[in-house]
Amino acid sequence: QQQVKQSPQSLIVQKGGISIINCAYENTAFDYFPWYQQFPGKGPALLIAIRPDVSEKKEGRFTISFNKSAKQFSLHIMDSQPGDSATYFCAASKAAGNKLTFGGGTRVLVKP
Amino acid sequence: GAVVSQHPSRVICKSGTSVKIECRSLDFQATTMFWYRQFPKQSLMLMATSNEGSKATYEQGVEKDKFLINHASLTLSTLTVTSAHPEDSSFYICSAGQRGESQYFGPGTRLTVT
Repeated sequence: QQQVKQSPQSLIVQKGGISIINCAYENTAFDYFPWYQQFPGKGPALLIAIRPDVSEKKEGRFTISFNKSAKQFSLHIMDSQPGDSATYFCAASKAAGNKLTFGGGTRVLVKP
Repeated sequence: GAVVSQHPSRVICKSGTSVKIECRSLDFQATTMFWYRQFPKQSLMLMATSNEGSKATYEQGVEKDKFLINHASLTLSTLTVTSAHPEDSSFYICSAGQRGESQYFGPGTRLTVT
């Protein structure tokens, strides 16, 4: 049973455009929602995380939007750059530091 | 962010042998470490959770006798793949965290069993 569904599986965006990745979760006990960026052959790197008591969090060009009633959250990458080309994973856990349930991943390609 | 290292980064072994992978938190004490497995172009699959000084908790379907996990200190956890077979070839990644804090991932270990 996939508890965190991520879409799209892949995304192509022009340099300077906005990349949008969506995730939906089922378990209402989830209380912590991080996003990770992974380059080929490397481990995932934490990008940004949110808790359900806020509806939006921004760090630089990365913004998480959170809709608790719909059990959905999304990552927006503003002014996308070729260096942002990577696979992005959303995840969820019952608390920060607890085991994570990952979405299926989105491969983002930013064309120059 | 916090730094987690893994060693080795790549290992090739023969079928039937055992391989040990180390995961270290370099600048913080990790109350919990996690081990994941990742196949090409797929998501991360949690194998087990380990807390310092106690037995690891394995996810359903993961053979605990095949994937031995030891978490001897707050900065070191090891994963030993025993009697490795070609189907065990994969990318193994550890992460480390503290209660209430985010998890930080290691760079991964590419295991190839010939």
